[in-house]
Amino acid sequence: QKEVEQNSGPLSVPEGAIASLNCTYSDRGSQSFFWYRQYSGKSPELIMFIYSNGDKEDGRFTAQLNKASQYVSLLIRDSQPSDSATYLCAVNLNTDKLIFGTGTRLQVFP
Amino acid sequence: EPEVTQTPSHQVTQMGQEVILRCVPISNHLYFYWYRQILGQKVEFLVSFYNNEISEKSEIFDDQFSVERPDGSNFTLKIRSTKLEDSAMYFCARRKGSTFQETQYFGPGTRLLVL
Repeated sequence: QKEVEQNSGPLSVPEGAIASLNCTYSDRGSQSFFWYRQYSGKSPELIMFIYSNGDKEDGRFTAQLNKASQYVSLLIRDSQPSDSATYLCAVNLNTDKLIFGTGTRLQVFP
Repeated sequence: EPEVTQTPSHQVTQMGQEVILRCVPISNHLYFYWYRQILGQKVEFLVSFYNNEISEKSEIFDDQFSVERPDGSNFTLKIRSTKLEDSAMYFCARRKGSTFQETQYFGPGTRLLVL
């Protein structure tokens, strides 16, 4: 069973803090990893992707991948109320589909 | 900038009716996907489509579902005889590059409600 697991939250952080979102996956054959943001009633919007072990930074966002531990995370620095959304972790196993987790709801309060 | 547009944005239908959901790429894309998301649940893969053929489909994508690209532009998902449990958001996605690892970009979705 190929699974992607996320804590559903909500994760509540104050404005300006670092939000840390975590995702684990079960299939060691997973090749690429994506973080999408989804506002209520809207479609998934790509935040970041990562293929290799280590960190990848893009503005306020950092994705971290540890293939040995089958773990991928997303850090959001200087969190803003506009970052309040559900964050979806998605994994590709080198097939033509993405497998999504259930998402973590992030709440950033002023 | 939207990668694809989808029509209609909302559709209400009676159980047993056929529905056609449409996805219109902005530019000349080759790799398309349909996903669905039942309210409160995860995004689920339905089918991928390349070069006018299905390349992969999930167990959800049974004989009730079909996809085609009838005019070389619009990409459609047809549900032949809708069931209550087909009520969901349906997302079209497209991939720019030729490798599986590359990012899929999602359209705005069609909210389908089956009564």
